[in-house]
Amino acid sequence: DIQMTQSPSTLSASVGDRVTITCRASQSISSWLAWYQQKPGKAPKLLIYKASSLESGVPSRFSGSGSGTEFTLTISSLQPDDFATYYCQQYNSYPLTFGPGTKVDIK
Amino acid sequence: EVQLLESGGGLVQPGGSLRLSCAASGFTFSSYAMSWVRQAPGKGLEWVSAISGSGGSTYYADSVKGRFTISRDNSKNTLYLQMNSLRAEDTAVYYCAKSLAARSSADGMDVWGQGTTVTVSS
Repeated sequence: DIQMTQSPSTLSASVGDRVTITCRASQSISSWLAWYQQKPGKAPKLLIYKASSLESGVPSRFSGSGSGTEFTLTISSLQPDDFATYYCQQYNSYPLTFGPGTKVDIK
Repeated sequence: EVQLLESGGGLVQPGGSLRLSCAASGFTFSSYAMSWVRQAPGKGLEWVSAISGSGGSTYYADSVKGRFTISRDNSKNTLYLQMNSLRAEDTAVYYCAKSLAARSSADGMDVWGQGTTVTVSS
């Protein structure tokens, strides 16, 4: 099974900050990676797929990069609505696996 | 509007059974693989199971293999998860989710239901 790790586990930031979250896979997954945002009590929301493709309707301040085993999610200028937990997920092969999550909270 | 609506959650004793349903609308259901993903209280997301659009291929996490069965009825646009031999560690919110691309296998998930809560406790 492919293991996913994320760093940091928690990130404290201010509105307007540039934020970067890293996701690593235990083996190469090419670009088969998605990023999700989840707020408390709500379902996850797809932000990025195929490592760098922005899902329709997602603000352009979100971007993804990487391939192989190392990936990043960047928020160019953090907005109040962006305080949430972010998960990466590989879909190179079954079983699908998620990273443990990165909580972005207010500094 | 593309929509997924889960139902069937509840309180069940250890060793008991429960069947979850997920009603889909707004897209060609039979063209998309579907997944169940769960989230234990205060924990992260865990993929549970997936099924191909035709229903001919199914996939399971090791943690539920042999106890849970995923199925679908494309005539009713409905996804199911039969859960047997439930354990306390199966307590979670269960989400159904639609695969991103038609006729894909392993995939990202672009539409999620609101979730249904399963509590396993005596």
